[in-house]
Amino acid sequence: DIVMTQTPLSSPVTLGQPASISCRSSQSLVHSDGNTYLSWLQQRPGQPPRLLIYKVSNRFSGVPDRFSGSGAGTDFTLKISRVEAEDVGVYYCMQGTQIPLSFGHGTNVEIK
Amino acid sequence: EVQLVESGGGLVQPGGSLRLSCAASGFTFRDYWMYWVRQVPGKGLEWVSRIKTDGSVTAYADSVKGRFSSSRDNAKNTLYLQMNSLRAEDSAVYYCASPFSSGFWGQGTLVTVSS
Repeated sequence: DIVMTQTPLSSPVTLGQPASISCRSSQSLVHSDGNTYLSWLQQRPGQPPRLLIYKVSNRFSGVPDRFSGSGAGTDFTLKISRVEAEDVGVYYCMQGTQIPLSFGHGTNVEIK
Repeated sequence: EVQLVESGGGLVQPGGSLRLSCAASGFTFRDYWMYWVRQVPGKGLEWVSRIKTDGSVTAYADSVKGRFSSSRDNAKNTLYLQMNSLRAEDSAVYYCASPFSSGFWGQGTLVTVSS
């Protein structure tokens, strides 16, 4: 099974400042079809998860361009260029390359 | 508008059964692999099961294998999760989802297993 390790677990950020979350997988996430099925999800308090980024760097419809994803192989990063109040929540990386699907433990983004 | 609406959650005694449903609308349900993901309130996300577009292929997390069964009715645009031999550790919010590039998630239904 692929283990997803996210850091940091908590990220206090000043409004307008950048934030960065790292995710490392225990195996390469490159699928036999050539795609890398690494997604980033946002979960606001009391809400279901919401897709932000899929296949490493593709921003989902309606996601602000201050969110960006990068990485390859086993190392991935989500960046928020300028944190806004509505960005508060828990962020998860998720791999869909191999069953069982697996998630990082989550990073709690909060405003300082 | 895409909607996934879960139902069927509730309080059940250990060893009991529940059947969750997920009604889909706003997209061509039969074209999508569907997933169940659960979350203990305040904790992280855990994958539960996956089912192929036509229902012919399923997969389960080791923690539920042999106790849970996923099925779908494409004519009714509905996904199901039959949960048997429930344990306290199955208590969670259960989401149906097509979580990859489509980004579909339901609002979740709470299952509580307790005597």
